[in-house]
Amino acid sequence: KNQVEQSPQSLIILEGKNCTLQCNYTVSPFSNLRWYKQDTGRGPVSLTIMTFSENTKSNGRYTATLDADTKQSSLHITASQLSDSASYICVVSDQGSGTYKYIFGTGTRLKVLA
Amino acid sequence: NAGVMQNPRHLVRRRGQEARLRCSPMKGHSHVYWYRQLPEEGLKFMVYLQKENIIDESGMPKERFSAEFPKEGPSILRIQQVVRGDSAAYFCASSLLLRRDSSYEQYFGPGTRLTVT
Repeated sequence: KNQVEQSPQSLIILEGKNCTLQCNYTVSPFSNLRWYKQDTGRGPVSLTIMTFSENTKSNGRYTATLDADTKQSSLHITASQLSDSASYICVVSDQGSGTYKYIFGTGTRLKVLA
Repeated sequence: NAGVMQNPRHLVRRRGQEARLRCSPMKGHSHVYWYRQLPEEGLKFMVYLQKENIIDESGMPKERFSAEFPKEGPSILRIQQVVRGDSAAYFCASSLLLRRDSSYEQYFGPGTRLTVT
């Protein structure tokens, strides 16, 4: 069964600190992997997208890594800000059943404190 | 340039009533996707539609749920005879076009939170 698992479930850090969120997936064949940010009460917003041939992708203070061999990805947030408080969701597209069919992880809830 | 619009944002229905959720895709987008997010769970794919066509409804419950995307107007997700288990956030996304072997982008709306009492 295609699955996407994330850890930790929740995380609290102080403003200015860095953090790393993890994602393991079993989706195969794999098409691409995205990280989304979802603010409370809002829809997900894309941060990064990587295909199986990419190892790293940055978007400002967000850097995503991908190891397609071990089926692991991470999202590193540098110099966190209060506005980073949100859920971060790892999403994998399954090439076998159609790249439009996103498979979502349950997310990591990040809380940044002043 | 407006993003994906969903309304209503919050909907309360009694058991047995009907719920209609609307989604207006981004301008120029002709592909619409519906997802459901149960409490403490990730979003789950329900249905993929193009204008006047249902392409993939494999994630949608066989009974009580239906979706349409008419030639004119928004996409509608309809839930008949709602039950408490239908309480969830329903998200709509739209994309510009689909190429099966390439990475395209789905843009998400703010969601409709359905509460069944």
